[in-house]
Amino acid sequence: GENVEQHPSTLSVQEGDSAVIKCTYSDSASNYFPWYKQELGKRPQLIIDIRSNVGEKKDQRIAVTLNKTAKHFSLHITETQPEDSAVYFCAASTFGGATNKLIFGTGTLLAVQP
Amino acid sequence: DAGVTQSPTHLIKTRGQHVTLRCSPISGHKSVSWYQQVLGQGPQFIFQYYEKEERGRGNFPDRFSARQFPNYSSELNVNALLLGDSALYLCASSLQDTNTEAFFGQGTRLTVV
Repeated sequence: GENVEQHPSTLSVQEGDSAVIKCTYSDSASNYFPWYKQELGKRPQLIIDIRSNVGEKKDQRIAVTLNKTAKHFSLHITETQPEDSAVYFCAASTFGGATNKLIFGTGTLLAVQP
Repeated sequence: DAGVTQSPTHLIKTRGQHVTLRCSPISGHKSVSWYQQVLGQGPQFIFQYYEKEERGRGNFPDRFSARQFPNYSSELNVNALLLGDSALYLCASSLQDTNTEAFFGQGTRLTVV
C-alpha cells in the first residue's frame, strides 16, 4: 500500500549548521511532495513543496530535492536558527488523482541548539 | 483573513460516547479533508469531501463518518468511542478536490477516558 518513510526521527544540530531530512515514498503515481512544520501544540504549516516535474526547489534557507527514479525526496535547511526547532513532516500525494489525500511520514523532531 | 477554524479545541469523552467535531474551511475553499494525528506520529487520512460529496476514505472503521454542508463547512462524527480514538483531529482545507495545496486548522484534541 501507500507508504512514506522518513528519517531521522530526531535531529539535533548547532545553530548555523545545516539539517537534512530524508523521505522515501512507495506509490510511483505520487507527483506532489509537500513539507510541513509543526510546532508544539500548533497546526502543521506548509513550508515548501515540490512537484515531480522539477528536481529541486529553493526558498531562502529551505530547499527540497526530488529523485523520482529512487523515489526519494529531501528537505535541506541551511543556517539553522533556534526558531527552526519543530517537528517536520514530509508527505506525498497524487495531483490529478481522485483526491487530495496526503500520505505523511512519521515526522522528524529537529532541535537547534543555540 | 480567517484560516481554517475547528471547534472545539479540546474535548474529553468517555468510552462508548459519540463525538462531533466541526471545521470551517478558508473562504472560497470547497474541499475539506480530515486527518487523525496520534501523538508522535504523522497525520493519517480519514476522509475528503468536495462539493458535499465524499471523494476519499482512509482505513478507518465505520464508526467514523463525516459530511459537508452547502457552505462547505464539515463535521466529523465518531461513534462508540474507544480509548484508541484519543488523538488530535485535523481538518485541512483546499481550493479544489485535487491539484491544490492543503492548509490545516489548529485541530481538536480529543481525549477518551
